Amino acid sequence: GQQLNQSPQSMFIQEGEDVSMNCTSSSIFNTWLWYKQEPGEGPVLLIALYKAGELTSNGRLTAQFGITRKDSFLNISASIPSDVGIYFCAGQVGGANSKLTFGKGITLSVRP
Amino acid sequence: ETGVTQTPRHLVMGMTNKKSLKCEQHLGHNAMYWYKQSAKKPLELMFVYNFKEQTENNSVPSRFSPECPNSSHLFLHLHTLQPEDSALYLCASSQDSGRGDTQYFGPGTRLTVL
Repeated sequence: GQQLNQSPQSMFIQEGEDVSMNCTSSSIFNTWLWYKQEPGEGPVLLIALYKAGELTSNGRLTAQFGITRKDSFLNISASIPSDVGIYFCAGQVGGANSKLTFGKGITLSVRP
Repeated sequence: ETGVTQTPRHLVMGMTNKKSLKCEQHLGHNAMYWYKQSAKKPLELMFVYNFKEQTENNSVPSRFSPECPNSSHLFLHLHTLQPEDSALYLCASSQDSGRGDTQYFGPGTRLTVL
């Protein structure tokens, strides 16, 4: 079945640093989504990408939809302590197939 | 606050108990979803409802029984669960599951089966 690969499982950075996360797939998706989940909460949508090559920003977050439609990355600039959480990528074929395929997530820790 | 609420937030139950999880969405969406989130595993889709009709059952054991009385409410009835069913159960909603619309998640119910 379809799988999304996110690695490493955990990342540790210093406050103020930039961090980049990749998500790769062996199959094509037509929509890429990035979610953040904080302890005790459900995933919250950060950025949605609908077109190959699209680059979208949301504050300090920037995400890109890979040209091959098999990957996406999320960049966080000038990290702050509240960026701590689990970052999930999700792919969606779209159209009549709305099923989301999730990666396992990357746990981000930010040292003050 | 995503517009999707879930109750209870935490639930502890024995294997012989019967309990229900509730999800309500205030977004005017027509599709609702149940997911299971276990540690170190990707989110697993369980059920999809679109306009109150079940459109997907992802090979979920019959001890989990969903109910969708209207487009705003979704229930997950639980009975004779196993300890391995302990997980975070997430509800999500979207405008229409047949169009690949973005899904918005609730905060989840943390379920522990003793």
